[in-house]
Amino acid sequence: EDQVTQSPEALRLQEGESSSLNCSYTVSGLRGLFWYRQDPGKGPEFLFTLYSAGEEKEKERLKATLTKKESFLHITAPKPEDSATYLCAVRFTGANSKLTFGKGITLSVRP
Amino acid sequence: DGGITQSPKYLFRKEGQNVTLSCEQNLNHDAMYWYRQDPGQGLRLIYYSQIVNDFQKGDIAEGYSVSREKKESFPLTVTSAQKNPTAFYLCASTPGQTDQPQHFGDGTRLSIL
Repeated sequence: EDQVTQSPEALRLQEGESSSLNCSYTVSGLRGLFWYRQDPGKGPEFLFTLYSAGEEKEKERLKATLTKKESFLHITAPKPEDSATYLCAVRFTGANSKLTFGKGITLSVRP
Repeated sequence: DGGITQSPKYLFRKEGQNVTLSCEQNLNHDAMYWYRQDPGQGLRLIYYSQIVNDFQKGDIAEGYSVSREKKESFPLTVTSAQKNPTAFYLCASTPGQTDQPQHFGDGTRLSIL
């Protein structure tokens, strides 16, 4: 069965303390991996799409990378406003346009 | 600005009552989706529609119904058969190319009175 696992469940960082969030997947075939940010009481906000191993995308303090089995969301010198839940979703081969989501990682950045 | 509008933001349901959640998009997207989000769980797909007048069940369709009479609208009805309806409901859409990311509305929180 195709699955998506995110780790850790929660992460607390000091402002400026860089770290990485992990999304691992077991799939028969990957058609795309998506990162979203979700603030409390809001819908997920799209961040990045990655389609093939070795691909990287960058936006401000965030950088997403992809291998054949996992993706990392690297956060460089985070600020308190980066506090949110980060969701990973995967579109598998043969799944039409359906996405399978991980449970999310709750990031807290202390000033 | 283009986007997805969900209403109401908060909704309360009485026992035995059906309630309908609204989702409207002005992005001219072909495909629309309904998800349910519970604490500590990933988003789970309820129903999706890739074209007007057609829709498919997702992973947890029991107790829910949808319609897609217009391209821009995809309402979700939570029926009395759904025994645990308390959750955060999210609507999403994508353009015709299915490798594009899904874009989400800001959700409706449904609670039981």
